[in-house]
Amino acid sequence: ETGVTQTPRHLVMGMTNKKSLKCEQHLGHNAMYWYKQSAKKPLELMFVYNFKEQTENNSVPSRFSPECPNSSHLFLHLHTLQPEDSALYLCASSQALAGGPNEQFFGPGTRLTVL
Amino acid sequence: GEDVEQSLFLSVREGDSSVINCTYTDSSSTYLYWYKQEPGAGLQLLTYIFSNMDMKQDQRLTVLLNKKDKHLSLRIADTQTGDSAIYFCAGLSGGSYIPTFGRGTSLIVHP
Repeated sequence: ETGVTQTPRHLVMGMTNKKSLKCEQHLGHNAMYWYKQSAKKPLELMFVYNFKEQTENNSVPSRFSPECPNSSHLFLHLHTLQPEDSALYLCASSQALAGGPNEQFFGPGTRLTVL
Repeated sequence: GEDVEQSLFLSVREGDSSVINCTYTDSSSTYLYWYKQEPGAGLQLLTYIFSNMDMKQDQRLTVLLNKKDKHLSLRIADTQTGDSAIYFCAGLSGGSYIPTFGRGTSLIVHP
């Protein structure tokens, strides 16, 4: 595997389910991100981790819970979601939160549908 | 913070040049980026430009930066059907480590 991978690619869940999204980067990076991409809205930054420490929580509802056990893996735990949470969830990584261009590398995303 | 605006759609004929425009608000932006998103895929960094440059060329891609007007453009020469995608402009504010993205421009290339 190369780059940034995400599983599952598609997920359909009911509002009472609990599920998790997984992201893995094979680039040796130290910063990882979760973004939400909805139709007709700008890309929304959700969470940022730098060297496994959470550095940003962009006012995300508590029904989304991130976990970063090491610099290569990032999870997003989902619990009692709402239909408006249906979106493409993108994971990204970059070398680290430091000076310079901080080029981000994105995974293919998980298409989430909440019924 | 940074705010990034771009038009939502652009349609061009195959073989023509495409120009995708973007405006940003933060005059202290250090880096400006163009990302491409193909259907069913994540965003892919195409190129970026540092704020002390006004032009960057990479094969068919030319980026122009007008700092006075806070305007960034991406020109794709000899546009092909494979260039059909959504193109995102992003800017990195001075003192920030995380870029702000625009809404994306859907480029449609027709024969």
